Amino acid sequence: GAGVSQSPSNKVTEKGKDVELRCDPISGHTALYWYRQSLGQGLEFLIYFQGNSAPDKSGLPSDRFSAERTGGSVSTLTIQRTQQEDSAVYLCASRPNGVGANVLTFGAGSRLTVL
Amino acid sequence: GDSVTQMEGPVTLSEEAFLTINCTYTATGYPSLFWYVQYPGEGLQLLLKATKADDKGSNKGFEATYRKETTSFHLEKGSVQVSDSAVYFCALGSYNNNDMRFGAGTRLTVKP
Repeated sequence: GAGVSQSPSNKVTEKGKDVELRCDPISGHTALYWYRQSLGQGLEFLIYFQGNSAPDKSGLPSDRFSAERTGGSVSTLTIQRTQQEDSAVYLCASRPNGVGANVLTFGAGSRLTVL
Repeated sequence: GDSVTQMEGPVTLSEEAFLTINCTYTATGYPSLFWYVQYPGEGLQLLLKATKADDKGSNKGFEATYRKETTSFHLEKGSVQVSDSAVYFCALGSYNNNDMRFGAGTRLTVKP
């Protein structure tokens, strides 16, 4: 696609439920990133994919968070047993591979509200 | 690990005032440095970048110089406008371009 597409744009869920957030990167972009932006906070790195593998999972806040990427394209971020502190905007970004290809293109984000 | 530290906000200025938002970094190797901007209701977008020491990135009247000696990449604009009101993020890309880390963001409000 022309840009990074994220869905849903808004999700309201009850505490304890599982949620899945989807990211469809720009076609051909090999690297994909997930960040979390909480109200009044900066961008918190969650996980990075190169192709289908995730060399850096250091940012995932707990074992309730997981992410996968299949076919080198779409990625899903799953949060199990959601807690109120998970409420945030989850941002996905992608970039192509190669020297100098270091500018990220961001999606519009998925706003998660846990009641 | 690699990281960036940027000036905490919020920053409130009058139109046509001079803007500086400080950013310093810690990194191994030779990182690339970026400023991203998030306008109200919009997603993050690249404002400017610099890929090596002494490079100056510039865009929309903003500029920042990659200073290796002071490990800094401060954002400046000589005369801000109301339309510059946004959140500004300093970011660092590791030498292999895999690791992209962002600062906490600085909210700028420009009043007429």
